[in-house]
Amino acid sequence: QKEVEQDPGPLSVPEGAIVSLNCTYSNSAFQYFMWYRQYSRKGPELLMYTYSSGNKEDGRFTAQVDKSSKYISLFIRDSQPSDSATYLCAMSPLTRYKLSFGAGTTVTVRA
Amino acid sequence: DAGVTQSPTHLIKTRGQQVTLRCSPKSGHDTVSWYQQALGQGPQFIFQYYEEEERQRGNFPDRFSGHQFPNYSSELNVNALLLGDSALYLCASSFKSGNEQFFGPGTRLTVL
Repeated sequence: QKEVEQDPGPLSVPEGAIVSLNCTYSNSAFQYFMWYRQYSRKGPELLMYTYSSGNKEDGRFTAQVDKSSKYISLFIRDSQPSDSATYLCAMSPLTRYKLSFGAGTTVTVRA
Repeated sequence: DAGVTQSPTHLIKTRGQQVTLRCSPKSGHDTVSWYQQALGQGPQFIFQYYEEEERQRGNFPDRFSGHQFPNYSSELNVNALLLGDSALYLCASSFKSGNEQFFGPGTRLTVL
């Protein structure tokens, strides 16, 4: 079993829809949770960064962490074609700095 | 403010050869981490450098080695290349105490 599980999709939605992405993990030591966006043949771009459980909102993006269920989510409201990319979840423990990534979910937003 | 830069962009090598990839961290960052991303997979942690020392290492063989220079830039060296080493190699930089890692564009290595 992988340390971080993420449904690879692909996920296709119409423009303006809400995109819902999620990851589950097995390591209860994880404290920091991140979402990255990666366009084709580019490096990952940090979108959201959260610590421990709770919600965080930044513009059209909302990240949720439920440590009791070992489950994290990213919601993208009012999706745009420019949101078409692969979304990677990543996490790390409190005292170490290695990031453990999910496999990524490929999202296409149709105009 | 310059972000993380990597060179070269692309590289083609043959099995058994050696390769060196380079990374310059984001301005003000002092820690560099290297990741390998195979096609269709998430990045896998190789190692991290801080104060010119390897601080943490992932599950990669000794063929993978690195170096950090006094100006915080870093190199990744891979010896005795295998076909399976073909991947996108990503460099990420951060502050020593920070978990936020900012990635460069990557170097795409193809081993024939």
